[in-house]
This record gives sequence, structure tokens and C-alpha cells, in this order.
Amino acid sequence: DTAVSQTPKYLVTQMGNDKSIKCEQNLGHDTMYWYKQDSKKFLKIMFSYNNKELIINETVPNRFSPKSPDKAHLNLHINSLELGDSAVYFCASSPNPGQGTNEKLFFGSGTQLSVL
Amino acid sequence: AQSVTQPDIHITVSEGASLELRCNYSYGATPYLFWYVQSPGQGLQLLLKYFSGDTLVQGIKGFEAEFKRSQSSFNLRKPSVHWSDAAEYFCAVGRYSGTYKYIFGTGTRLKVLA
Repeated sequence: DTAVSQTPKYLVTQMGNDKSIKCEQNLGHDTMYWYKQDSKKFLKIMFSYNNKELIINETVPNRFSPKSPDKAHLNLHINSLELGDSAVYFCASSPNPGQGTNEKLFFGSGTQLSVL
Repeated sequence: AQSVTQPDIHITVSEGASLELRCNYSYGATPYLFWYVQSPGQGLQLLLKYFSGDTLVQGIKGFEAEFKRSQSSFNLRKPSVHWSDAAEYFCAVGRYSGTYKYIFGTGTRLKVLA
């Protein structure tokens, strides 16, 4: 059973299109994240949700809109895609962030987005 | 600026050789410290973490890391590298800045020669 699953794995699209990436975790975690990894492998937090509530929004263009219908799902919708949006997007979840012992991030396998 | 630095972008070692990957952080208080590994086409997997106590922590796959407060470092080590260790390695810190965040270093790509 995959702990954090995201779909699709690959997404190739034209500039200006709107696309969504879905993420689901079956670990029972309250906190979920979206990270963007650029071509140089730099990993940057985009959003974080705790129990369906947005808690981190890291100066991401408002073309990016996360949605959390329940605490097991965190989807990412991107409007009017631009060339610079090409990257690998990772979903992650964690139990008890900042609480110590059981703390860790569980990552999905990533969605490689290519905007042409 | 507060940051996580991995000074080595690429490292190449021979199979069986020892390995040390460097990580430095610049935060006022000791944050929680992590090392993650990313194999090609995969998400990141936790190798080990440090919160408090013994400054030498053991992780999976034979890795260990040592926290040195005086040097603000958390270097990752392995005494004998295997070809399957070739991957991208990320140091990360967890800290509160309004909300709790994980901040990642820029990564070190490890190549292992047979």
C-alpha cells in the first residue's frame, strides 16, 4: 500500500492550460504539503495544510490553488501554466510536525510537469 | 539570512570507500535536523534525524550523522559506500518561524564508482 500517492506521475501540457495534480495519504496524518523541485534539485515549500486548513503559503503565484477536501487529500490546481512552472512537484505528509520523536516527512513519488 | 548549506554539489567515491556529506545551518537556536535521500525518479526518504540527546545518530542503510553545535553542522557519514547509495542527499531543518517549517539544503549528488 502506497503511503502518499500522487497522480499523474508525468504531465506534459501547453502554456496557458489549466491542470491539476492530486495527492492522497493513507497514513492518518493531519499535515500535508506541496513542494516544488526545480531543475537544479532545489526543494522549496509551496503550501502546507493542517486538517484541511491552510497554514503555509510561501509567496506562490495565485495561479496555484491548493484544495484540501479532507485531511487525507491535498490537490494542487494550476491556472494559466507558464514555462517556468516546469518542475517536479512533490506531495508530502507528516505526523506531529515540530513535536520531535515521530516527526518525519513522507513523500509521494513526484509529478514531473513539463510546460511546452 | 537563515539557511541550510550543503557546500558540495557533487561527490564521487569508489565503492567501499568512506563517505562524508557536509551540512551547515545558520539558525539562532538548534533546529531539528534531518537527512533525506532521493533516488532517481523517487520521492525523498528519511535517513536519520536529530532532536536532542546523543549527538551521534544512527540511521537506515548504515548511515550516521553527528551534530556539532559549535560548528552548526550535521554531517552525514557512511564507513563503506555501496553502489546502491548513488542518489541525491538532502539536509533539512525543522523550525518554527510563525509556523513550523521544513527547510531543505540544495542537495549533494553522490556518484559511486565500481
